[in-house]
Amino acid sequence: EAGVAQSPRYKIIEKRQSVAFWCNPISGHATLYWYQQILGQGPKLLIQFQNNGVVDDSQLPKDRFSAERLKGVDSTLKIQPAKLEDSAVYLCASTQRLDSYEQYFGPGTRLTVT
Amino acid sequence: DQQVKQNSPSLSVQEGRISILNCDYTNSMFDYFLWYKKYPAEGPTFLISISSIKDKNEDGRFTVFLNKSAKHLSLHIVPSQPGDSAVYFCAASVSGGGADGLTFGKGTHLIIQP
Repeated sequence: EAGVAQSPRYKIIEKRQSVAFWCNPISGHATLYWYQQILGQGPKLLIQFQNNGVVDDSQLPKDRFSAERLKGVDSTLKIQPAKLEDSAVYLCASTQRLDSYEQYFGPGTRLTVT
Repeated sequence: DQQVKQNSPSLSVQEGRISILNCDYTNSMFDYFLWYKKYPAEGPTFLISISSIKDKNEDGRFTVFLNKSAKHLSLHIVPSQPGDSAVYFCAASVSGGGADGLTFGKGTHLIIQP
C-alpha cells in the first residue's frame, strides 16, 4: 500500500512570496490533515478535511493560509504572502475512517522563508 | 499553552536497557493517547496507543502506561535497540470517537548507546 505522498520535499522562498504544497493521501482515506511543525516543536494541526469538506480550521491563519481538497482526494495548502515565521515542515496525514485515531503521515515539505 | 508536555528534550540509554519516555497532559478532555516515532527527514510513524479506559497497552517491546489521575503517560521500550534512536512524540485526542486532529508534545530525542 502506497503511503501519503507530498511534494515538493523542500522549498526556499523569499518573504512576501507565495508557495503551495501538495498532498496525496493513502487511497481510500477519507480524512486528511495538514500540520505545521516548527523546529523544536511538535506538529500543530492547521486544518482537517473529511472528504472535501472542512471539519476544523480553527488554527489556520486564514489571512495568509488557504487549503482545499477538491474531489475529496488530493489537497493543496497555500501560503500567500509568506513570512519568516512560516519556516517549518508542513506535514500531511490521513486516516481511513471517521472513528480511527491512527493517522498516517507523509514525509513533509520543509519550507525555508528568507 | 502546552496541553501535552514532554519535559525531557533528550534521553540517552544503553543498548539492551529499558528506555522510559514520559508525557504529561493538562486537558482532561483528552481520552486517547498515541506515541509516534520520527526519523530525520521522514514523517512521524505510529507506534502504540492507549484509550483512557485502560491503564496499560503492550505491543512487543513497547508498553504504554496511563495514569489518568496524574494526567501522565509513559512509553517503555525494553530491550532498547540501536534502531530505536529517533524522536518520540506523545500525542492526544479529545473525546470524539476518533479522527480528530491530534495535539502533540515537543518530542523527546532518544539516543541508544551501543
